[in-house]
Amino acid sequence: AQRVTQPEKLLSVFKGAPVELKCNYSYSGSPELFWYVQYSRQRLQLLLRHISRESIKGFTADLNKGETSFHLKKPFAQEEDSAMYYCALSIFNKFYFGSGTKLNVKP
Amino acid sequence: DAGITQSPRHKVTETGTPVTLRCHQTENHRYMYWYRQDPGHGLRLIHYSYGVKDTDKGEVSDGYSVSRSKTEDFLLTLESATSSQTSVYFCAIRSDVGNGELFFGEGSRLTVL
Repeated sequence: AQRVTQPEKLLSVFKGAPVELKCNYSYSGSPELFWYVQYSRQRLQLLLRHISRESIKGFTADLNKGETSFHLKKPFAQEEDSAMYYCALSIFNKFYFGSGTKLNVKP
Repeated sequence: DAGITQSPRHKVTETGTPVTLRCHQTENHRYMYWYRQDPGHGLRLIHYSYGVKDTDKGEVSDGYSVSRSKTEDFLLTLESATSSQTSVYFCAIRSDVGNGELFFGEGSRLTVL
C-alpha cells in the first residue's frame, strides 16, 4: 500500500514565484514526516522534519492531520532550489518515501 | 558528509549471477537501510537493520537478502540477479539519538543485462 503520495512528478516555476510541493500520507497513528532533497550529483539530504517546525532555505511544511498532508512551500523560488524532493514517513524506524517531485525553477 | 560509503559504485552483471553490494559506516549508528531508487517509484525500502544480526524486511524484499555481522557493514545480496533489479541502490544510516535523520550514501548503480 502506498503510504506516501506525491502527485506531481514535475513542477516547473519561474524564479521568484511561490512553490508548493504536495505530499499526502496514509497512517492512522501519529506521523513522523520529513522532506528530503537531492540536488544534482549530490546525496539525498534532509531538508526539514515536521517536529522541529523550522524553516530551512526558506522552505516550510505544515502537518495537516485532517487532510493527512505535509506540503512543502516556499514563497519565492530560487534557481538553486531546482532538485528532486522526496516526502518521507517514518513508522517504527522504517522510512517510507514518496515517488518524488522534480522541481525546476526557470530563470 | 556522514561517514557512509557504498561499494561498488557501478556494476554491470548478467542475469542469474549473484551480486553483493556493501555499505560501510564509520559512525557506529544502530540503524542501516537499503533502498532502491527507480523512476516513478521514488525510493523503496528493501531491508533494514536495527543492530548486529538484527534485520527486517521492507517493501520490496523479494529477491534480496542482507547480512550484518558487524556494526559498520550492511551487505545486500542478490542471489540471482534479474533485469528487474536494474536500479540505483542507496544505503542509509541513522542514529537512535538526536533528530533521527537518515544519512545516505552516494548510491550504487547496478545494471543487469
